[in-house]
This record gives sequence, C-alpha cells and structure tokens, in this order.
Amino acid sequence: QVTLKESGPALVKPTQTLTLTCTFSGFSLSTSGMRVSFIRQPPGKALEWLARIDWDDDKFYSTSLKTRLSISKVTSKNQVVLTMTNMDPVDTATYYCARHTNAYYQFDSWGQGTLVSVSS
Amino acid sequence: DIQMTQSPSSLSASVGDRVIITCRASQSISTYLNWYQQKPGKAPDLLIYDASSLQSGVPSRFSGSGSGTDFTLTISSLQPEDFATYYCQQSYSTPPTFGQGTKVEIK
Repeated sequence: QVTLKESGPALVKPTQTLTLTCTFSGFSLSTSGMRVSFIRQPPGKALEWLARIDWDDDKFYSTSLKTRLSISKVTSKNQVVLTMTNMDPVDTATYYCARHTNAYYQFDSWGQGTLVSVSS
Repeated sequence: DIQMTQSPSSLSASVGDRVIITCRASQSISTYLNWYQQKPGKAPDLLIYDASSLQSGVPSRFSGSGSGTDFTLTISSLQPEDFATYYCQQSYSTPPTFGQGTKVEIK
C-alpha cells in the first residue's frame, strides 16, 4: 500500500524559508521510474505544480517559482524535502506531495496535504 | 507553459443525470491528459489518464475522450458520491498544468 504524508510548519512569516518533508511508504525512490512531485492549492483555488524529483536525482521546477524552490531526497529515510524561500502571503496554500511512476505526471497517489499560512 | 481551460466552472445536476465537462489546451497535447476528482478537504484522486484510460478502481460511469486540444470527461449517470470538483491536467510537457476546476453541485 502506497502512502505519503507531508509535514512542516503550519505558519511561517513573510520572507522566511519554508521546509516541507514528504515521508512515504510502499515504494522506494531508488526504484527506476519512481518520481515524487510537490503540488499546492491556495484556498478555494486550483492546483499548481511546484517541483519534481526522480529516482536518479533529476530535478524539475515550476517556471515561475524555480528561483525560490529546491527539492531533494533522503532515499534511506523514504523522504523528499522541498524548500521555498522568501515566503509571501500569496504562498498560503495546502501543499501536497504525490507519486508518479513515469515521466507523464500521472499522480496516482497523494498525501493528505498540509496547510501552510504565511502571515506576520 | 501550456494553459488548460475547463468549462463550465460549475454546474448543477441531479442524481442520474449525464454530465459532460470539457477541457481545452492552449496547444496540442496529443492524448497526454489526466482527470482528477477532488472532494472538500481531501487530496485529488486520479480518475482518467491518457485521455481515456480508466484508473484502477474507478467506476465505469466515468469516461474520457479527446485528443489534440479538446477533451471531455463524461459521467454517464451522476451518483451522490460524484458531487465534487474535477480538474484536468496536461502531462505532455514540464511543467504539468491544471485547469481551473469544475465544481459539480446538487440541483
């Protein structure tokens, strides 16, 4: 059974750096073809893809956010870590991690999401 | 980035109705189109991938069609558990992009 769970702060201040951890089970990021992405959703709004990391450590980022994002993995702990710098109130959203098993971004398993609010 | 546009943004329907949601891409994406269902407070669930392939465990009343720039999601007979928001997503190129969503409400 594949499970993913996001963890991190519920509240960050403007200009701070957000660090989110996705802890998963039921698959390994050392297996060829495995990939994990982060996706966010502001309250009442649509989904926005942020970043992806592959089993071979390839990394891809949102066009508009790439200067603020960094994604990494700790294979031995079954974790993926996303950092986002210079947080702003518009970054208030539920952040999800999701698994996909090919390059075609078919997100077949998702975490429950974690709401991050940005406020002073 | 490829823009995805869904219509309508919301609709009201009754149990048993046939519901059709459309999604248009800003450029051709072949059949690299996925559909998700999201219920309030929950993560999205993958319904359809590659435009018309049903994800394992998804009821057969859901179907998808289309290629190029125009796609549809059809619910043949709406059930109470289908009231939710539906998103299309292109998987043709990085970054993957989502439509703005279609909320299906009870009439």
